[in-house]
Amino acid sequence: EDKVVQSPLSLVVHEGDTVTLNCSYEVTNFRSLLWYKQEKKAPTFLFMLTSSGIEKKSGRLSSILDKKELFSILNITATQTGDSAVYLCAVKLYNTDKLIFGTGTRLQVFP
Amino acid sequence: EAQVTQNPRYLITVTGKKLTVTCSQNMNHEYMSWYRQDPGLGLRQIYYSMNVEVTDKGDVPEGYKVSRKEKRNFPLILESPSPNQTSLYFCASSLSLAGANNEQFFGPGTRLTVL
Repeated sequence: EDKVVQSPLSLVVHEGDTVTLNCSYEVTNFRSLLWYKQEKKAPTFLFMLTSSGIEKKSGRLSSILDKKELFSILNITATQTGDSAVYLCAVKLYNTDKLIFGTGTRLQVFP
Repeated sequence: EAQVTQNPRYLITVTGKKLTVTCSQNMNHEYMSWYRQDPGLGLRQIYYSMNVEVTDKGDVPEGYKVSRKEKRNFPLILESPSPNQTSLYFCASSLSLAGANNEQFFGPGTRLTVL
């Protein structure tokens, strides 16, 4: 059975800290891995990763994929209260548009 | 503005009373999908559609129906809602080039409570 597992489930940090969110997967026909940020509404797209070892970066957020070890990490440096959200990892399979989601990591950043 | 819209945003109903949650996208996307999100279970796919008149079951289709008569609309139908269908529902769409890297755009969500 295809599955995506995220850890930790929840994380509480102070502003300025750096956090690392993990996503591991066991799927057949892996195509790409996506990260979404979900605040009190719909998930919004952050990154899509298809190749190992190539870091994607957007401001204080960065992500990398390891297709050999079947995981990805999402790093957030110098966290701000606006980073508080649930971060969702999803895997897309080949030849389909289906996304398999992990349960998410809830990040809370306090001032 | 490119977007996915859902209606209603909030709905409280009683067991057995048929309801429909509408979903519409203005991006000419082929692929549309419905998810439900429950605490500890993440987003689970209910039904999806690869194009007009093409629908298929996701991971948790029981108790739901969908239709895709037009490209832009993908309503979710609960013929006889039950309390275990209380959840947060998201509609999503994407360009459907199977195997290509297209992100899914999500609607704002519909919070459904079935009493």
